[in-house]
Amino acid sequence: DIQMTQSPSSLSASVGDRVTITCRASQSISSYLNWYQQKPGKAPKLLIYAASSLQSGVPSRFSGSGSGTDFTLTISSLQPEDFATYYCQQSYRTGYTFGQGTKLEIK
Amino acid sequence: EVQLVESGGGLVQPGGSLRLSCAASGFTFSDHYMDWVRQAPGKGLEWVGRTRNKANSYTTEYAASVKGRFTISRDDSKNSLYLQMNSLKTEDTAVYYCARDGGSGWYEVDYWGQGTLVTVSS
Repeated sequence: DIQMTQSPSSLSASVGDRVTITCRASQSISSYLNWYQQKPGKAPKLLIYAASSLQSGVPSRFSGSGSGTDFTLTISSLQPEDFATYYCQQSYRTGYTFGQGTKLEIK
Repeated sequence: EVQLVESGGGLVQPGGSLRLSCAASGFTFSDHYMDWVRQAPGKGLEWVGRTRNKANSYTTEYAASVKGRFTISRDDSKNSLYLQMNSLKTEDTAVYYCARDGGSGWYEVDYWGQGTLVTVSS
């Protein structure tokens, strides 16, 4: 299986901060990279697909970039509702593996 | 409005079987690939498997951890997705989510159910 490694595993930030989460694939996955947000006790929510395409209804402060093996999720100005856990997922090859998650906490 | 509603979770002994169901509404179910994704308590997300649509011969794929034990099926006439789980192990304990492929060609999951908890314990 393709391994997906996110960094950092946790992150403390303040409302209004700019935050970047990275995701690295163990082999090239082209742009088959998705980002999800999950809040406690809730199902995940799709934010970004195809590495940089913003899902309908998702605020424009979320953006994604990268291709090949290195990807980033950026939140341009943190809002209170953004404190959650974020997962990347490769959809290039069966196994469709997720990263281990990045927990974004309030500083 | 797209809705995915799972059912069938519960407590089962190791070695036992369980069948999960997912009722879909608000979209043309037969057009979409469908996935199962699970999350062990306090852990991250793990893709379980996928069924493609009729146009792609309903082919299925599975994670290595469940291959040979779990079977995904669908009934397009009932807008329903199923997960038959056999030879269950304690490590299969998780919330199981029914999930819809967005159909963009990038294989993203754009809608998720609320999840159903499966506990494997003696």
